[in-house]
Amino acid sequence: GAVVSQHPSRVICKSGTSVKIECRSLDFQATTMFWYRQFPKQSLMLMATSNEGSKATYEQGVEKDKFLINHASLTLSTLTVTSAHPEDSSFYICSARDRDRGTYEQYFGPGTRLTVT
Amino acid sequence: EDKVVQSPLSLVVHEGDTVTLNCSYEVTNFRSLLWYKQEKKAPTFLFMLTSSGIEKKSGRLSSILDKKELFSILNITATQTGDSAIYLCAVGRIQGAQKLVFGQGTRLTINP
Repeated sequence: GAVVSQHPSRVICKSGTSVKIECRSLDFQATTMFWYRQFPKQSLMLMATSNEGSKATYEQGVEKDKFLINHASLTLSTLTVTSAHPEDSSFYICSARDRDRGTYEQYFGPGTRLTVT
Repeated sequence: EDKVVQSPLSLVVHEGDTVTLNCSYEVTNFRSLLWYKQEKKAPTFLFMLTSSGIEKKSGRLSSILDKKELFSILNITATQTGDSAIYLCAVGRIQGAQKLVFGQGTRLTINP
């Protein structure tokens, strides 16, 4: 149980284009999902908290117009990197809290490696 | 500012050795401390600790929390090459959206 999937697992795009990453909770309902990015040899940095049916809450320094987050259902959140630049190249990971567990335990997706050329 | 610090940042040992990884924190409204193991992809959950002094154990891995001294340790006994990974410590707070604050991670390498 508690499986989170991400799609795509790897994407290469050209500078200036937009990329959408999907995060799905497969066997549980997630009222809250989190989006992280991770640079090589660094830890996870929280970008934003995504709540089902409401606007995402962004961490300081994260541009909300550049990283668009939509949490349209209890099992799906999407992150769209708009007008991507090479410095956006990173490993993006989502996590989800199980609504019915009510704990701080977060289940992570397998991550999406974005390369912007 | 909330802070989670792990040490060492990197550790190389031989198979069969026992290792201890450290995590100290300064977080307002502490709720829980979590340990994750990260190999090539996303982190996998190991332990969640909320109470001081109670050891959690899973096979060769164990962890304990000291809320007075604000730290936790993760022990791995009889290490195997499959234990090679980055071990992440994260702290959850009572308030807010239950966000986790992550430490930098400890990169553990087990040599045969």
